[in-house]
Amino acid sequence: AQSVTQLDSQVPVFEEAPVELRCNYSSSVSVYLFWYVQYPNQGLQLLLKYLSGSTLVKGINGFEAEFNKSQTSFHLRKPSVHISDTAEYFCAVSVNFGNEKLTFGTGTRLTIIP
Amino acid sequence: DGGITQSPKYLFRKEGQNVTLSCEQNLNHDAMYWYRQDPGQGLRLIYYSQIVNDFQKGDIAEGYSVSREKKESFPLTVTSAQKNPTAFYLCASSSSGTGRSPLHFGNGTRLTVT
Repeated sequence: AQSVTQLDSQVPVFEEAPVELRCNYSSSVSVYLFWYVQYPNQGLQLLLKYLSGSTLVKGINGFEAEFNKSQTSFHLRKPSVHISDTAEYFCAVSVNFGNEKLTFGTGTRLTIIP
Repeated sequence: DGGITQSPKYLFRKEGQNVTLSCEQNLNHDAMYWYRQDPGQGLRLIYYSQIVNDFQKGDIAEGYSVSREKKESFPLTVTSAQKNPTAFYLCASSSSGTGRSPLHFGNGTRLTVT
């Protein structure tokens, strides 16, 4: 079965600084990878997804992520954060056959410091 | 606008009572899901349904029940058998239920049982 690890439970970053949120996955078969964002007391919204093709994926709100198969990683990056980026970010993985259900990481809370 | 509606937003119940959480979607999606979210634990799958009148247990189905009588609706009942029901519950849908289809989420129901 697949699994996802988000090592950083909290990441504080100064406004306008760059940020990287780390995500590593484990799977014995090909994967699909997703990043979701959750604002307080709301559901999750899709930020970006990797299904196939280019390993650099661009998403909404200026975020991007790079799929690295050799390191089994899918880190999320933004070159300059804003106060409005304060939220919790979830990495998720599914596989392309067998148990295709999404498995979520435990989340990273991003706090932007003015 | 298409989306997923969860109601109510907040729900309070006494221990020993069953409670039903509503989830309606107008996205014409085939698959629907229920997740439970607890602080620091990410999202855990309770039940999912890929077609009307059929549903499958997720990772933490004990103490919960669902029905899927209509494509648009997927209510979740939290029974008195659920030992720790206080949590944030999220309903989601996807177009096909395969691993490559991203999930669309509702805004959640926060259940408090005392």
